[in-house]
Amino acid sequence: EPEVTQTPSHQVTQMGQEVILRCVPISNHLYFYWYRQILGQKVEFLVSFYNNEISEKSEIFDDQFSVERPDGSNFTLKIRSTKLEDSAMYFCASSEAVTVPVDEQYFGPGTRLTVT
Amino acid sequence: AQRVTQPEKLLSVFKGAPVELKCNYSYSGSPELFWYVQYSRQRLQLLLRHISRESIKGFTADLNKGETSFHLKKPFAQEEDSAMYYCALQGAQKLVFGQGTRLTINP
Repeated sequence: EPEVTQTPSHQVTQMGQEVILRCVPISNHLYFYWYRQILGQKVEFLVSFYNNEISEKSEIFDDQFSVERPDGSNFTLKIRSTKLEDSAMYFCASSEAVTVPVDEQYFGPGTRLTVT
Repeated sequence: AQRVTQPEKLLSVFKGAPVELKCNYSYSGSPELFWYVQYSRQRLQLLLRHISRESIKGFTADLNKGETSFHLKKPFAQEEDSAMYYCALQGAQKLVFGQGTRLTINP
């Protein structure tokens, strides 16, 4: 069964450094998402992406964040200058479509980002 | 505002006992609601959605618009049900999650 994959599984970086988190969505999916979960808190939406552009973003997704689909398979989340509070588990998800009835979002295993 | 509330962070029941995980939501439109589950060392996966009205692994959930609730129920808990359960609401394209309930089934 196809799955969303994410690399790396764990990333440790120093405050102020740039990080790129990578995701390979399911191949026939058209919608891509990033969520994050700070330890002990709820899973929060960051951004959705469709047709090579951001379709929705949360207030968390400020100028230090960016997303890109650099080729036909990868979907990346870049944090330009990491802060301690960016430490979290970052989940990528994809869905075939956004339709009614709503389509299921399939989640990757997550990347644990630790900012020191 | 879109909000999902799961009042219990932890829930512990004995094997064979009934389980109910509570979920309340706040949404101005017609909600699309889901339960996601995360077993130990596994990814988040969809357990069930209200529109399908099906029972998955013995779990059911009924949308009660009057009480704005979508509680997850199972009549007889099994040890393999131990996991983290998240109630989620689909608002436009994003999922809005509750805090999650860690369910532990004791033998």
